[in-house]
Amino acid sequence: GEDVEQSLFLSVREGDSSVINCTYTDSSSTYLYWYKQEPGAGLQLLTYIFSNMDMKQDQRLTVLLNKKDKHLSLRIADTQTGDSAIYFCAAYTGTASKLTFGTGTRLQVTL
Amino acid sequence: GAVVSQHPSRVICKSGTSVKIECRSLDFQATTMFWYRQFPKKSLMLMATSNEGSKATYEQGVEKDKFLINHASLTLSTLTVTSAHPEDSSFYICSARGPGAEQYFGPGTRLTVT
Repeated sequence: GEDVEQSLFLSVREGDSSVINCTYTDSSSTYLYWYKQEPGAGLQLLTYIFSNMDMKQDQRLTVLLNKKDKHLSLRIADTQTGDSAIYFCAAYTGTASKLTFGTGTRLQVTL
Repeated sequence: GAVVSQHPSRVICKSGTSVKIECRSLDFQATTMFWYRQFPKKSLMLMATSNEGSKATYEQGVEKDKFLINHASLTLSTLTVTSAHPEDSSFYICSARGPGAEQYFGPGTRLTVT
């Protein structure tokens, strides 16, 4: 089955860019997602990308997809303290019809 | 983005009792709804997938008689934890998938079984 991996922790200074990385194993994944989770809350859908795209930009967020290497990244420009949260990447495969989540990356933004 | 609500947000119940959690998609019709469980500082574990009007599909290791799922309409799914025990204490999150590729999550329900 699908396996999705992320690094556990990232610390950046306010105003810098953050890059959160994710790898997945199933090359038939059709959609790849980024979610944000704040303490005690559900998951907020940030953005998603279709597998035939290389890049998607939405305001401060840029998603890059390297399908050959099965590597996904989320770049947050001008990171703010309000961006501190856990970020999950997830891969969707049509055959399984479900999302497989990574372990989550805790982003800490320091002043 | 679309809104998915859950009720209650927190519930405390005694061991042996049953608890029902509701999940609603407020501004779209959800063809498929999902129920997840999240342990502290861990990722989400899919428990089951439900399609409106049909029986839920449970993931391996999830007891279908313990975690009853009903997807009564395109906007409502319920999870009932039957005969709850302290080990069922967890954060339960529902998710709804619309006709497109978006999958939205509810705010979660914190269940504590005493």
